[in-house]
Amino acid sequence: DVKVTQSSRYLVKRTGEKVFLECVQDMDHENMFWYRQDPGLGLRLIYFSYDVKMKEKGDIPEGYSVSREKKERFSLILESASTNQTSMYLCASIGGGSFSYNSPLHFGNGTRLTVT
Amino acid sequence: AQRVTQPEKLLSVFKGAPVELKCNYSYSGSPELFWYVQYSRQRLQLLLRHISRESIKGFTADLNKGETSFHLKKPFAQEEDSAMYYCALGTEGNTGKLIFGQGTTLQVKP
Repeated sequence: DVKVTQSSRYLVKRTGEKVFLECVQDMDHENMFWYRQDPGLGLRLIYFSYDVKMKEKGDIPEGYSVSREKKERFSLILESASTNQTSMYLCASIGGGSFSYNSPLHFGNGTRLTVT
Repeated sequence: AQRVTQPEKLLSVFKGAPVELKCNYSYSGSPELFWYVQYSRQRLQLLLRHISRESIKGFTADLNKGETSFHLKKPFAQEEDSAMYYCALGTEGNTGKLIFGQGTTLQVKP
């Protein structure tokens, strides 16, 4: 069974802090994603990565960056946290190849970040 | 623009009543459509995808390209169906990237 593990379930940070959200998957998946989940807005893609050291911006990348140094780990970085980044953050992974949609997107449990 | 719209934030029905969660999409190409579900305190998971044309937990969804819709239906709702449901659109098969709708909370009352 695929496991996508997010290191923290809850985080409370202060405005201006640098914040790291970590995600690890154990299925050798090529593609990994960071979404934020907000009531009434659904899931919005922040960044995704389709290979080590490769990344692409999603729909709302402003204020975020990512790092993928190893295939199993995808980190989301808030360079200077702001209150409007208070949200639930979901990491997901899926195998690559010619037709990824043959497999489901596997999600982590989420990290609820509060920026005060 | 590629978009998924779920017009209802909350759908509340009684146990045994029929359920229809609406989903409309905007995409000029050939879409891949999915329904994902999040039960309380659980992670988001795939419920069904249009291409498999299967029924999962009594739910079905038919892709209507003419109306650009992919509504989720169940003839008789159960209390355990209470959850958040997201419709999702896939347009990039080689990356697995999905565009999600706003989500609909289904509340099934006893």
